[in-house]
Order: sequence, then C-alpha cells, then structure tokens
Amino acid sequence: NAGVTQTPKFQVLKTGQSMTLQCAQDMNHNSMYWYRQDPGMGLRLIYYSASEGTTDKGEVPNGYNVSRLNKREFSLRLESAAPSQTSVYFCASIPGKYLTTDTQYFGPGTRLTVL
Amino acid sequence: AQSVAQPEDQVNVAEGNPLTVKCTYSVSGNPYLFWYVQYPNRGLQFLLKYITGDNLVKGSYGFEAEFNKSQTSFHLKKPSALVSDSALYFCAVRGFAGNKLTFGGGTRVLVKP
Repeated sequence: NAGVTQTPKFQVLKTGQSMTLQCAQDMNHNSMYWYRQDPGMGLRLIYYSASEGTTDKGEVPNGYNVSRLNKREFSLRLESAAPSQTSVYFCASIPGKYLTTDTQYFGPGTRLTVL
Repeated sequence: AQSVAQPEDQVNVAEGNPLTVKCTYSVSGNPYLFWYVQYPNRGLQFLLKYITGDNLVKGSYGFEAEFNKSQTSFHLKKPSALVSDSALYFCAVRGFAGNKLTFGGGTRVLVKP
C-alpha cells in the first residue's frame, strides 16, 4: 500500500495562474480531506468529502475548488492563485464516512509558492 | 466553536530527560483528542488518541498522554526523550457531535544529545 500520495511535491506559481493539486489513496477509505499548513497556525481544513460524489466546505474554502473524482482521488484546484495561498497543502483520508474516532492518514504534502 | 492551544512554540530537552508537550482544548461536550507528529518534509503521523475510558493513553514510540477533564488538558509525555523525537507535534480535538478536527498551532521539540 502506498497510502496517501500527493502530486506535485513542489510548485511555484505566478499570481493569477491556476493549478490542480492531486491526491489519491489506495486504502479504500471513504472520506478525504484537504488542509493547508501555515507556520504557527496548525492545519486548517479547506474542503472535505465524506464519500464519493459529495464535498463540503471547511474552515478556509475561499479561493479553492475540489473534485472527488472517484473513491480514490480528491483534487484541489486554485483557479487564480494569490500570494496568500502560499502554503503547504496536505491531503488526508479516513476509513469511515464521517470524522468519528477514526485516525486520519496524511499524504506527504505539496509545498506551493505563489509569487 | 472548538479550539486547541499549544502554549509553547518550542520545547528543548536533553536526551534521556523527560519530555512534555502541553495541550489545552475547548469543545462542547465530550472531546475526542489526538496527537500527531510531523518529521521534516513529511506528512503528519498519528501518535495516539483519547476517545473514552482510561485517562492515560499509550501510543506509538513510547509516548503517552493524560486526559484531564477538569483542566481541559491533554499533555503529551515521554519518560526518556531521544534525539530522533525531534519533530513538530500537533494536538487536535473534535467534539462529540462535530465533524471537523481542529488542530493546535504545533510545538517544535528539539532533543539535544
């Protein structure tokens, strides 16, 4: 099992450019999450998907869109990147459909810089 | 709204000494509490969680944490720290009826030989 994988590992964008961050898990998990990590602020939830075909906003959804392509894949799209979106992005998954007592499994992260 | 506070940005400890990383929380109802560790350039790894039952929870790599309801705390401890324990540690909480996990700001642990 590869677990949770993310691509790319690093990306530099110019303000206004768009890009999609990819996430895939091979653990047959139902729920998937996108977080951003900024120094001193911990992880903040951007969007999540409780099951295939559903997505919901998290704490900081503005400027982002998501797609739950199938059970394995959950992508995060920046339509018009801004410097404030410079961050490290993590994808995570859990076996259940809702965040109960399940442990979250995290990907290795994507480090994004917006100039 | 639920929240987590990790009052120390960094904790320095000598190898072999006890290690404590502090965490306090605020949540409606009974909490579900988690500790994660992040090594450089890696994703977060699960250490331990408190759901219910015994207030002392044992986890991976010799870590343990004590749930204290009256003080709303869930401090992470290790009796004898190793240099390899140097990492960023996150506490997280979820309320019983909530569907989101709230993370603290993280505490960097530096264990010196």
